[in-house]
Amino acid sequence: QVTLRESGPALVKPTQTLTLTCTFSGFSLSTSGMCVYWIRQPPGKALEWLARIDWDDDKYYSTSLKTRLTISKDTPKNRVVLTVTNMDPVDTATYYCARSGRCSGGSPGDLDYWGQGILVTVSS
Amino acid sequence: DIQMTQSPSSLSASVGDRVTITCRPSQSISSYLNWYQQKPGKAPKLLIYAASNLQSGVPSRFSGSGSGTDFTLTISSLQPEDFATYYCQQSYSSPYTFGQGTKLEIK
Repeated sequence: QVTLRESGPALVKPTQTLTLTCTFSGFSLSTSGMCVYWIRQPPGKALEWLARIDWDDDKYYSTSLKTRLTISKDTPKNRVVLTVTNMDPVDTATYYCARSGRCSGGSPGDLDYWGQGILVTVSS
Repeated sequence: DIQMTQSPSSLSASVGDRVTITCRPSQSISSYLNWYQQKPGKAPKLLIYAASNLQSGVPSRFSGSGSGTDFTLTISSLQPEDFATYYCQQSYSSPYTFGQGTKLEIK
C-alpha cells in the first residue's frame, strides 16, 4: 500500500525558509522509474507544479521558483525534502507531495498517489 | 514553459448529462497528458493518464482522448459524486504544468 504524508510548519514568517518533508511507504525511490513531485495550491486557486526528483537523483524545478527551491531525497529513510527560501505571503498554500511510478523516458509521468497536503501560512 | 489552457473554466450540468472538458497545451505534447479530479479539501485523484488510459478503479464513464495540442475529458453520464474541479497536466517536459482547472457544478 502506497502512502505519502507531508510534514512541516503550519506557519512561517516572511523571509524565512520553509522546509517540508514527504515521508512515504509502499515504494522505494531507488527503483527505476520512480519519482516524487511537490505541488502547491493557494486557497481557492489552481494547482501549481513546483519540483520533481527522480530515482536517479535527477531534479526538475518550476521556472518561476527555481532560484528559491531545493529538492532532495533520503532514500534509506523514504523521505523527500523541499526547501523554499525567502517565503512571502503569496506562498501561502497547501503543499502536496505525490508519486509517479512511471517517470522514465517515454513514460506518462502521471501522479497516481498523493499525500493529504499541508497548509502553510506565511504571516508575521 | 508549456502553458495549459482548459475550457470552460466552469460548467453547470445536471445528473445524467454528458460533459466534455478541453485542454490545449501551447505546444505539442504528444500524448503526455493526465487528468485529475479534485474535491474540496481533498488531494487530487488521477483519472486518466497518457491522454486516454483509464486509471485503475476509475469508473468507465470517464474517458480521455486527443494528442498533440488538443485533448478532451468526457464524462458520459454525470453522477452526483462527479461534481468537482478537474485539472489537466502535461508530463512531456519540465516544468510539468497544470491547467487552471474546470469547476463542474450542479445545475
